[in-house]
Amino acid sequence: DTGVSQDPRHKITKRGQNVTFRCDPISEHNRLYWYRQTLGQGPEFLTYFQNEAQLEKSRLLSDRFSAERPKGSFSTLEIQRTEQGDSAMYLCASSSSRLAGVTGELFFGEGSRLTVL
Amino acid sequence: GQQVMQIPQYQHVQEGEDFTTYCNSSTTLSNIQWYKQRPGGHPVFLIQLVKSGEVKKQKRLTFQFGEAKKNSSLHITATQTTDVGTYFCAVCFDSGGYQKVTFGIGTKLQVIP
Repeated sequence: DTGVSQDPRHKITKRGQNVTFRCDPISEHNRLYWYRQTLGQGPEFLTYFQNEAQLEKSRLLSDRFSAERPKGSFSTLEIQRTEQGDSAMYLCASSSSRLAGVTGELFFGEGSRLTVL
Repeated sequence: GQQVMQIPQYQHVQEGEDFTTYCNSSTTLSNIQWYKQRPGGHPVFLIQLVKSGEVKKQKRLTFQFGEAKKNSSLHITATQTTDVGTYFCAVCFDSGGYQKVTFGIGTKLQVIP
């Protein structure tokens, strides 16, 4: 399968624990996005990488959230000291930049569903 | 800051009726994308509009980009039960040399057979 893969698909954790999600984008894609989606809402932007550089992080995110893309390939999203409000689907998407000023199609993974008890 | 509004949030139609969802931005966009998310699934890309006033068609789906590049619409003719899902616009801003993609709240379409 050459699509975007995310792991784990489901995570149940207790409040206060740390969790980490992994995203493997499509191999030739240099752009990687993390979004969070709750029921009835659209994907909410969390952060964006171009190659290994994290170019933007949403102001909505607290310092408990951190993301990395160390070699410009896979990415990890870590949530420290989880809270019940962190329960959501965490979506990763990748795209490639071909034309200046034109956003490439975002290819989404299946998502990692987090439940914080 | 950049905001995107999408209306309506919900739409129930009889099979065979038409459906339209609208997306409006407070600022001029670089381009706009539309996605469909089936229940339990992830967003899937439908189309990208780049030029002012652009109109694109995909079978029963018609996408329009406003002249001022601040609004867009998706129109489905003669809906079918396979059209069920949530339709999102994703507005794309040129932000300091990279493309930030912000999703609308979505329009959830129910088609009654």
